Amino acid sequence: QVQLQQWGAGLLRPSETLSLTCAVYGASFSSYYWSWVRQAPGKGLEWIGEINHRGSSNQNPSLKSRVTISVDTSKNQFSLRLNSVTAADTATYYCVRDDTRTTGSFDIWGLGTRVIVSS
Amino acid sequence: DIVMTQAPLSLPVTPGEPASISCRSSQSLFDSDDGNTYVDWFLQKPGQSPHLLIYALSYRASGVPDRFSGSGSGTDFTLKISRVEAEDVGVYYCMQRIAFPITFGQGTRLEIK
Repeated sequence: QVQLQQWGAGLLRPSETLSLTCAVYGASFSSYYWSWVRQAPGKGLEWIGEINHRGSSNQNPSLKSRVTISVDTSKNQFSLRLNSVTAADTATYYCVRDDTRTTGSFDIWGLGTRVIVSS
Repeated sequence: DIVMTQAPLSLPVTPGEPASISCRSSQSLFDSDDGNTYVDWFLQKPGQSPHLLIYALSYRASGVPDRFSGSGSGTDFTLKISRVEAEDVGVYYCMQRIAFPITFGQGTRLEIK
């Protein structure tokens, strides 16, 4: 059974750096792309970016200048860093498997990490 | 960016009755190279992460009941529920993945009357 377990700081001050990590269990890490999606309180879903095991990534241009997505294949983990956060970055952040092998879509989601940016 | 527009934004439905959600994209989601249409549908139940219902226009994801179906073409898409059940409440999102950045519709909240 595939599971995504995510963690990271839940409370940040403006201008700090958001850092989240997602560990993949039960799936071949090298066979998929891995994405981050966020959801502001009461709002819809926003795709942040994706990465594969080789470190090849794509990011949303709306966040690209502040986003770094990285991968640690030795631990089957991928990470998100978002710098210079503001209140607008307050959201629940999900790590997601991009099932490029079969459905081509986001078939496995983590439970989400709620991040609040407040002074 | 491709804009995804859903309607309605709120959908009250009586159990046992059908329901339909529309999604319109600002560009065609049909890929002539492989013949696929890259629109997917997700349901986010209250307090949960979203989960995949339909991928590539009309294919049901694993474990999804056959009362859910997806259809459409080009820029106009529909998610249909043949007979709504109480467990179907939540927010439904369409998503396009033919081009980066991947984008979602605003969501349609289905509630039981």
